[in-house]
Amino acid sequence: GENVEQHPSTLSVQEGDSAVIKCTYSDSASNYFPWYKQELGKGPQLIIDIRSNVGEKKDQRIAVTLNKTAKHFSLHITETQPEDSAVYFCAASIGGGSYIPTFGRGTSLIVHP
Amino acid sequence: DAGVIQSPRHEVTEMGQEVTLRCKPISGHNSLFWYRQTMMRGLELLIYFNNNVPIDDSGMPEDRFSAKMPNASFSTLKIQPSEPRDSAVYFCASSLQPGTNTEAFFGQGTRLTVV
Repeated sequence: GENVEQHPSTLSVQEGDSAVIKCTYSDSASNYFPWYKQELGKGPQLIIDIRSNVGEKKDQRIAVTLNKTAKHFSLHITETQPEDSAVYFCAASIGGGSYIPTFGRGTSLIVHP
Repeated sequence: DAGVIQSPRHEVTEMGQEVTLRCKPISGHNSLFWYRQTMMRGLELLIYFNNNVPIDDSGMPEDRFSAKMPNASFSTLKIQPSEPRDSAVYFCASSLQPGTNTEAFFGQGTRLTVV
């Protein structure tokens, strides 16, 4: 089955700095890569996703990049704010049939004011 | 829509007792997932239903765990008998499948503590 590795496990930045979280996946058939944000006491919530036919996608301060050859994808957050502090999960899945996301272990992002 | 609704939010039980977690998916969604979250193992998929039918239960850790989906608007995850190592946060998620990579919407989770 699919295996998703995520790094780092914790990331501490100053407000205004950029944050980068990296993930690798094992199954070359995976073609959908969502990113979830989990705030304390809540369930994960989708913040951005990317499909295999796209190399990069942006949404305001958030961007994702995908390198299918190397089987890795990354989340970039620019101009970080304290409210960005949360646990971020990457996931990979194989579309075309049943979509079952396999999650990375998560990255705890702390943004210091 | 109120989103995915899970109950209870917190459950504390004694070892050996039966525990039942409940989930109401988003109306119109035909796929439902149960996940377990721990510090050690992260988010683990336990079971996946599509159109009320269990499709993949390979993540169910032991026979003590069972899940049902009697209709499109309700699912249960039961642990019997419960053990301290079952302590975790259990999430239910739903989505609209198949054929497209659609978002999985998560509930607030049930924090289970087995003492």
